[in-house]
Amino acid sequence: TAGITQAPTSQILAAGRSMTLRCTQDMRHNAMYWYRQDLGLGLRLIHYSNTAGTTGKGEVPDGYSVSRANTDDFPLTLASAVPSQTSVYFCASRETSAHTDTQYFGPGTRLTVL
Amino acid sequence: GQNIDQPTEMTATEGAIVQINCTYQTSGFNGLFWYQQHAGEAPTFLSYNVLDGLEEKGRFSSFLSRSKGYSYLLLKELQMKDSASYLCAPMDSNYQLIWGAGTKLIIKP
Repeated sequence: TAGITQAPTSQILAAGRSMTLRCTQDMRHNAMYWYRQDLGLGLRLIHYSNTAGTTGKGEVPDGYSVSRANTDDFPLTLASAVPSQTSVYFCASRETSAHTDTQYFGPGTRLTVL
Repeated sequence: GQNIDQPTEMTATEGAIVQINCTYQTSGFNGLFWYQQHAGEAPTFLSYNVLDGLEEKGRFSSFLSRSKGYSYLLLKELQMKDSASYLCAPMDSNYQLIWGAGTKLIIKP
């Protein structure tokens, strides 16, 4: 089982350019999340989706957009990148049942905006 | 507001025991998670506490006191591979995880 995959692994992007970070899961989890992680700070939620067709804003949504056309894919788009968006981006999906509640993370995308 | 407090860094010796504390304040509460994150890698799930008390899983145990807004992660028989950051994350009333900055654990031989 692949779990959660993210692409690209890393990217250097010129300021003002747009970019889409891809995230795909094969676990059929309903909820998915995008976080950014910066040195010395905790993971911060950018956007989330509780189920296909719905999305919501997290703690730091400005400058980012998401879509959830199906269960498996949850792309994150930067419309016009700025240097403050340099970060490591993690996608996650959530498994819930009577006995568990766990978020699983993808390997991350390291983005540098110059 | 929502706040997580855990030590920035701790050092321990291989084979010893270490306890990493976490205090939290959240809007509502739906359980608390501990994750491990090695440098340059993604966080991986360690434990989930929703009721008060101790949950044991191999060398790792996690404790929760909801009335005190307090949790700890206990690591026994420390190994060099346990060198990592440990993230405390309570879940709020919207079922969103609130993440602390993490505790960097350094294991020395």
